[in-house]
Amino acid sequence: EAGVTQFPSHSVIEKGQTVTLRCDPISGHDNLYWYRRVMGKEIKFLLHFVKESKQDESGMPNNRFLAERTGGTYSTLKVQPAELEDSGVYFCASSQQGGPSGYTFGSGTRLTVV
Amino acid sequence: AQSVTQLGSHVSVSEGALVLLRCNYSSSVPPYLFWYVQYPNQGLQLLLKYTTGATLVKGINGFEAEFKKSETSFHLTKPSAHMSDAAEYFCAVRVSGNQFYFGTGTSLTVIP
Repeated sequence: EAGVTQFPSHSVIEKGQTVTLRCDPISGHDNLYWYRRVMGKEIKFLLHFVKESKQDESGMPNNRFLAERTGGTYSTLKVQPAELEDSGVYFCASSQQGGPSGYTFGSGTRLTVV
Repeated sequence: AQSVTQLGSHVSVSEGALVLLRCNYSSSVPPYLFWYVQYPNQGLQLLLKYTTGATLVKGINGFEAEFKKSETSFHLTKPSAHMSDAAEYFCAVRVSGNQFYFGTGTSLTVIP
């Protein structure tokens, strides 16, 4: 079974530019999550999809962030325009169903805004 | 509100020594508790989890953790550190819904 795949693994962009991160969950996993870790801080929840619907987007920092999951398969997270404080590691995770089980995480995208 | 505190952002141990990584949580209801590990250039990997039942939980690679409700703790231990254990470790809680709350992580260095 392929794991959760994230593209790109690293991205360096200038302030004001746009970046799109992609996450391919494990096939058949309806639940998809985005998390972010700013340097030295805790990993924080951004949002949760169930299939193509946003179940919870309470962690999205502001309207410069847009997440989509068209067709309920892969998801994209767009940052436009990027600011310096957006730098960090963006993790995607997926799970087959809710409940107490842990997720399967991707290896993350390290975003650096300069 | 839920929160997770990991004492010590960096921990160093000698190879063969005991590993103890501390995690305390605050939660108004019984939580589900997790430890994740991140090796360099890899994703977060589940080490172990506590949901219900036995409070001493065994995970992969010889790690275990004990849920102590009275102390609101879920410390991670391993009797004998190996060089391959060098990684960053994250404690997390999940109370309701599907959202995890993570600690700030503890970077473990193993000294040969």
